[in-house]
Amino acid sequence: GAGVSQTPSNKVTEKGKYVELRCDPISGHTALYWYRQSLGQGPEFLIYFQGTGAADDSGLPNDRFFAVRPEGSVSTLKIQRTERGDSAVYLCASSLAPTSLSGANVLTFGAGSRLTVL
Amino acid sequence: KQEVTQIPAALSVPEGENLVLNCSFTDSAIYNLQWFRQDPGKGLTSLLLIQSSQREQTSGRLNASLDKSSGRSTLYIAASQPGDSATYLCAVGASGTYKYIFGTGTRLKVLA
Repeated sequence: GAGVSQTPSNKVTEKGKYVELRCDPISGHTALYWYRQSLGQGPEFLIYFQGTGAADDSGLPNDRFFAVRPEGSVSTLKIQRTERGDSAVYLCASSLAPTSLSGANVLTFGAGSRLTVL
Repeated sequence: KQEVTQIPAALSVPEGENLVLNCSFTDSAIYNLQWFRQDPGKGLTSLLLIQSSQREQTSGRLNASLDKSSGRSTLYIAASQPGDSATYLCAVGASGTYKYIFGTGTRLKVLA
């Protein structure tokens, strides 16, 4: 597609429920990132995919959070047993893969999924 | 641990002013730095990307500089316009990883 698409744009759920957030990156972008942004804060890194594999998941806060990218394109962020503290905007970004850790490409972000846990 | 700080947190200026936004980082081992713009309720839009080997990048009325050794970057906006009103975020690419560490942003308001 023309940009990074995230669904749903808004999700309200109850504490303890399971939630899935979807990210559809730009076609041809093999690098995919998930970030979380709380009100008044900068985005906080969660996980980075290179192709189908999670190259860096050091930002996932605990084992309630999990993300997959089975075919190297669409990614799903899964949150189990949601807590009120999980409320935030979840941002997805994609880019052409860097050729090495010293290279980089511009990140293109989606509009985000706003999660509210009551 | 890399920490990124942006000063000021908020800024309000009259239209037409030139202004400078500041970003500082604690670990100079970075491989690049990006400046982003975020409009309310929207995602981030990349403005400028500076590789670690570069000193500055320019795009239209925007100029970003990078001084790795002192851990600083500045975003210069010339002849500001009301449409420039947004939150500006800097993000550093940490060497040895693929992750970007973001600052908390500068909320800019340009008054007509």
